[in-house]
Amino acid sequence: KAGVTQTPRYLIKTRGQQVTLSCSPISGHRSVSWYQQTPGQGLQFLFEYFSETQRNKGNFPGRFSGRQFSNSRSEMNVSTLELGDSALYLCASSLGGYTDTQYFGPGTRLTVL
Amino acid sequence: DQQVKQNSPSLSVQEGRISILNCDYTNSMFDYFLWYKKYPAEGPTFLISISSIKDKNEDGRFTVFLNKSAKHLSLHIVPSQPGDSAVYFCAASGTNFGNEKLTFGTGTRLTIIP
Repeated sequence: KAGVTQTPRYLIKTRGQQVTLSCSPISGHRSVSWYQQTPGQGLQFLFEYFSETQRNKGNFPGRFSGRQFSNSRSEMNVSTLELGDSALYLCASSLGGYTDTQYFGPGTRLTVL
Repeated sequence: DQQVKQNSPSLSVQEGRISILNCDYTNSMFDYFLWYKKYPAEGPTFLISISSIKDKNEDGRFTVFLNKSAKHLSLHIVPSQPGDSAVYFCAASGTNFGNEKLTFGTGTRLTIIP
């Protein structure tokens, strides 16, 4: 079974631009979660989608948004990029139930100049 | 406010010995805990988990211990192998605020010395 895939793997943008990241979950998984990893902060939860609905949300500004499609693929959008948005963005998929393991993709490394 | 803390940024252990990684949490609503391992340029990989109704869970060389009264969990790796060199993250979740939302610690870099 193929793992979680994320595209693109690397991205360079400038301040003020917007960016869209994509995540394809493991086949059969209906939950997709997004995390931001920065040095010294660990992984911080952005939001989670289950069956095309946002089910949970972390403490990030409204510039960070997401959506999920009927095939469970998910996109994350960041508008009006700031230097501090430079990070590794990870998505994870699971079956969506309590204690179901979250499987992570390799991440998208975003650099904002 | 860091609700899950890994106070040791790094740890070096001789091959064949026991590696002990520690994690503390502050939110008493957490009731499910996990350990993930991360290699460079890869996403975190699930290792082992434990529910708050247990105090120990084993899977091969990996054992996780949970002390609820101290709000502390630890991961024991015995015996340690060179392939165990990676960054280890502990994570926690709770049914009261969404099981799918994992709160991670900042990670401990484990280096196994041959």
